[in-house]
Amino acid sequence: EAQVTQNPRYLITVTGKKLTVTCSQNMNHEYMSWYRQDPGLGLRQIYYSMNVEVTDKGDVPEGYKVSRKEKRNFPLILESPSPNQTSLYFCASRQPRGRELFFGEGSRLTVL
Amino acid sequence: AQSVAQPEDQVNVAEGNPLTVKCTYSVSGNPYLFWYVQYPNRGLQFLLKYITGDNLVKGSYGFEAEFNKSQTSFHLKKPSALVSDSALYFCAVRDMDMGRRALTFGSGTRLQVQP
Repeated sequence: EAQVTQNPRYLITVTGKKLTVTCSQNMNHEYMSWYRQDPGLGLRQIYYSMNVEVTDKGDVPEGYKVSRKEKRNFPLILESPSPNQTSLYFCASRQPRGRELFFGEGSRLTVL
Repeated sequence: AQSVAQPEDQVNVAEGNPLTVKCTYSVSGNPYLFWYVQYPNRGLQFLLKYITGDNLVKGSYGFEAEFNKSQTSFHLKKPSALVSDSALYFCAVRDMDMGRRALTFGSGTRLQVQP
């Protein structure tokens, strides 16, 4: 089954404790992206990757890092989480040129 | 810059009645336009898209949307609503001509279909 898999789905952590949210897709998509969803703000892009070893900032990259060492994986790293990073995070992937995004199920992160 | 507006936080409709969820956009060039649906505790699912061609686009689950360039709108419609259509709907746009690869999403519209 074609899918984007995120882990963990739910996480409660404390300020400053580094964490990684993993994302993996099995559709051989070149493009991958991370979004955060906050009430009333829709989805905002954090980082994206056009292909292996190619990443770029989205609209709200502060406080986040990513890497793309393999085509299928695109982890999101919070080096020192803060409470304003409490949010619902989505990983997504697609083929090039206007194709629709395929989303993971989401990771709900709470930073205390 | 590209932007999208969904003017209604919530739309209420009775089952069997037609529904419309509104979306307007702003781009410098030509738009790619998308509608996604989000059910509780799930990721977003693609419904339909407009890239070029016919202004009326048909998608999943009986939904359709009409691209109106003069009004810069892309409203989502369905002739007869089902209770199971109750969900959060997002409109999204990308400017084809500006080389920007990210979608810009609206703030979402919650559709509530009453039995």
